[in-house]
Amino acid sequence: GQNIDQPTEMTATEGAIVQINCTYQTSGFNGLFWYQQHAGEAPTFLSYNVLDGLEEKGRFSSFLSRSKGYSYLLLKELQMKDSASYLCAVRDRTEGFQKLVFGTGTRLLVSP
Amino acid sequence: ETGVTQTPRHLVMGMTNKKSLKCEQHLGHNAMYWYKQSAKKPLELMFVYSLEERVENNSVPSRFSPECPNSSHLFLHLHTLQPEDSALYLCASSQSGVNSYNEQFFGPGTRLTVL
Repeated sequence: GQNIDQPTEMTATEGAIVQINCTYQTSGFNGLFWYQQHAGEAPTFLSYNVLDGLEEKGRFSSFLSRSKGYSYLLLKELQMKDSASYLCAVRDRTEGFQKLVFGTGTRLLVSP
Repeated sequence: ETGVTQTPRHLVMGMTNKKSLKCEQHLGHNAMYWYKQSAKKPLELMFVYSLEERVENNSVPSRFSPECPNSSHLFLHLHTLQPEDSALYLCASSQSGVNSYNEQFFGPGTRLTVL
């Protein structure tokens, strides 16, 4: 089966750095995605990792270690608008068709 | 704006009603998805259509019936729903293929309440 774990909630202050961790177990791993979802809105794509290492995109970076089944999303210079849920999703191909399996999401609250 | 639209945005229905959710993508993608998002639970994949053929039905009760008339449109027909079916229903689309990493673009969702 598939299992994806991430913390339920995190808090941080404006201007700080926060790291959101995600661990996963899947037999057909084929890439990991991070999505951002503001309350009442659609999830929007943030990053994609398929090889080990760090992918940087402005204030956001995502890291992957396939051997450890581990990823993190790093948010720098936090802004109030970064308050949202962050969804970790693993692309799985064990059932013949590539699909995304999502974690429950981490709700981040950024305070002044 | 992600290029994926959904209507209606909010829907309240009784358990005996029949209603349909509509999704349209303007991105030229060849795969479309229905997800259910309930409070404190992961996004649950319900159905996947690739090139207008259903390739995944994730053990969804028959009171949910999808329809994909073409690669741009996806419907979810609802009948005899239960209160526990109240949730946010999200549609997504992607370009599937060997050279694609299958990034999914989501619509804003339909907030469904079953009374």
